Amino acid sequence: EIVMTQSPATLSVSPGERATLSCRASQSVSSNLAWYQQKPGQAPRLLIYGPSTRATGIPARFSGSGSETEFTLTISSLQSEDFAVYYCQQYNNWPLTFGPGTKVDIK
Amino acid sequence: EVQLLESGGGLVQPGGSLRLSCTASGFTFSSFAMSWVRQAPGKGLEGVSSISGSGGTTIYADSVKGRFTISRDSSKNTLYLQMNSLSAEDTAVYYCAKGIAARAWHFDYWGQGTPVTVSS
Repeated sequence: EIVMTQSPATLSVSPGERATLSCRASQSVSSNLAWYQQKPGQAPRLLIYGPSTRATGIPARFSGSGSETEFTLTISSLQSEDFAVYYCQQYNNWPLTFGPGTKVDIK
Repeated sequence: EVQLLESGGGLVQPGGSLRLSCTASGFTFSSFAMSWVRQAPGKGLEGVSSISGSGGTTIYADSVKGRFTISRDSSKNTLYLQMNSLSAEDTAVYYCAKGIAARAWHFDYWGQGTPVTVSS
């Protein structure tokens, strides 16, 4: 099983600032990596996959990069609606595995 | 508009069974892989099972293999998850999720989730 780790566990950011979230895979997942945003009481929402393609309707302030085992999600200028938990997911191999999440909260 | 509506969750005793359903609309159901992803209370996400658009490929997490069965009925635009021999470790919100292609295991639309509680 591919183990996904994310850092930091919590990121405190002021509105308008840049946020950089990291995701690491225990072995190569090629480019088969997705990022999701989840708010309390809601289902996850796909942000990025492949690992730099924005999903439909996702604002340009969200960007993804990386390959193999190291990936990054960047939010260029945080808006109030961006405070949430972010998960990475590898879909290179089954079982599908998700990282434990990074909570982005208001500084 | 894509919509996924889960049903069938609830309270069940250990060792019991449940069948979850997910009714899809707004897209050509048979053209896309579908999956079940669960989230235990206060925890992260876990891929449970996936099925290809044709239904010819099914995949399971080791934790549910032999106990859960995924299936789909394209005539009803419905995805199913038959869950047997349930234990407390299966307690979670179960999400139905649509793959972005026929054999894609990342998900562009999710249902609202149906809670499953396994307890005596």
